[in-house]
Amino acid sequence: AQSVAQPEDQVNVAEGNPLTVKCTYSVSGNPYLFWYVQYPNRGLQFLLKYITGDNLVKGSYGFEAEFNKSQTSFHLKKPSALVSDSALYFCAVRDDGGATNKLIFGTGTLLAVQP
Amino acid sequence: EAGVAQSPRYKIIEKRQSVAFWCNPISGHATLYWYQQILGQGPKLLIQFQNNGVVDDSQLPKDRFSAERLKGVDSTLKIQPAKLEDSAVYLCASSLDPRTTFEGFFGPGTRLTVL
Repeated sequence: AQSVAQPEDQVNVAEGNPLTVKCTYSVSGNPYLFWYVQYPNRGLQFLLKYITGDNLVKGSYGFEAEFNKSQTSFHLKKPSALVSDSALYFCAVRDDGGATNKLIFGTGTLLAVQP
Repeated sequence: EAGVAQSPRYKIIEKRQSVAFWCNPISGHATLYWYQQILGQGPKLLIQFQNNGVVDDSQLPKDRFSAERLKGVDSTLKIQPAKLEDSAVYLCASSLDPRTTFEGFFGPGTRLTVL
């Protein structure tokens, strides 16, 4: 069965510093990987996805993520954090060999960027 | 382009009462999803529609939850009777063609509190 793990409940980083939010996955086939962000009282906003091709994926708001097949990881990164990046981040996976195209979400990582 | 619309945004009911949520997806999106997000957890798929047919309802508690998408556009999710553990945010999402676009676009959610 497919699954996603976000090992950190919270990540703290100072404004201007680089940030990394970790995600590992488990699927039986090839993974389709996604990052979403959720601001308070808002729905999930799509940030980026990896389907195939270049392992480094660039997305919205300066975020990027690197697909690492050997480590089954898809960590979210940003070179310079902003206070406005503070939010809840979810990693999700879909198995291309699955019978349906539902997304399996991780438990979320709260990113707190201090001024 | 208008996003996914959901109503109501907030609902408070007592246990054993019934409640209904409404979702209007992005125009032209054939696939519609209902997710349940319990506090501190990632969203969990309850049901997925392709046009007006059900693709996946394996995690829908069918003894109390029901959903329909009669004309293949908007959808309603109903809980009857509600339990305390149903307190959550109910997210609706849609996608144009999950075989090619993969990611879903989410509405703002309905926050349900069961007392």
